[in-house]
Amino acid sequence: NAGVTQTPKFRVLKTGQSMTLLCAQDMNHEYMYWYRQDPGMGLRLIHYSVGEGTTAKGEVPDGYNVSRLKKQNFLLGLESAAPSQTSVYFCASNNGVEGELFFGEGSRLTVL
Amino acid sequence: LAKTTQPISMDSYEGQEVNITCSHNNIATNDYITWYQQFPSQGPRFIIQGYKTKVTNEVASLFIPADRKSSTLSLPRVSLSDTAVYYCLVGDRPKAAGNKLTFGGGTRVLVKP
Repeated sequence: NAGVTQTPKFRVLKTGQSMTLLCAQDMNHEYMYWYRQDPGMGLRLIHYSVGEGTTAKGEVPDGYNVSRLKKQNFLLGLESAAPSQTSVYFCASNNGVEGELFFGEGSRLTVL
Repeated sequence: LAKTTQPISMDSYEGQEVNITCSHNNIATNDYITWYQQFPSQGPRFIIQGYKTKVTNEVASLFIPADRKSSTLSLPRVSLSDTAVYYCLVGDRPKAAGNKLTFGGGTRVLVKP
């Protein structure tokens, strides 16, 4: 049972490049979330999904897009990366009933 | 989501009890109080959740007074491996909280030998 898996773990991009972060969970959870964490800061919610085919904006959605085509996967896309998007990105999932969020190990993104 | 205030950092020594208090004066009736632990280069990990009075599990205890305007996470007999950042979240269950599940700055706990 892997829980929440994020790929890739590390990535370096040049300004203007695009990329996609993949989050996969094997717990059959309905809810999935993408957060970013900047150095010394808490986690800020980018986008979230309450079920397959649904997405919604979080606190800091600008510059990101997401898709939830399959229940187990939640993709975070950057169409034109900017240095301000340098951060560690965390994916989380929840069963929609209990309060516990299950987090992945994070994806460290650097935009030059 | 109710605004939370917690100390930025705390130091302790191995074997001591660590108590971290979180203030949440505008907590709503449906809000729960949840604590997470985060080690460097890892995602946060759920520790404990409560609504009122006291909750205890194998890792920690959570004390919530009757007015629910604050809560205290208690870590008994800490070890070096308890050095981490601890986040207090106050809000409804994820199903109702929606886009409000945002973490504050947390409390950085350093356990010294």
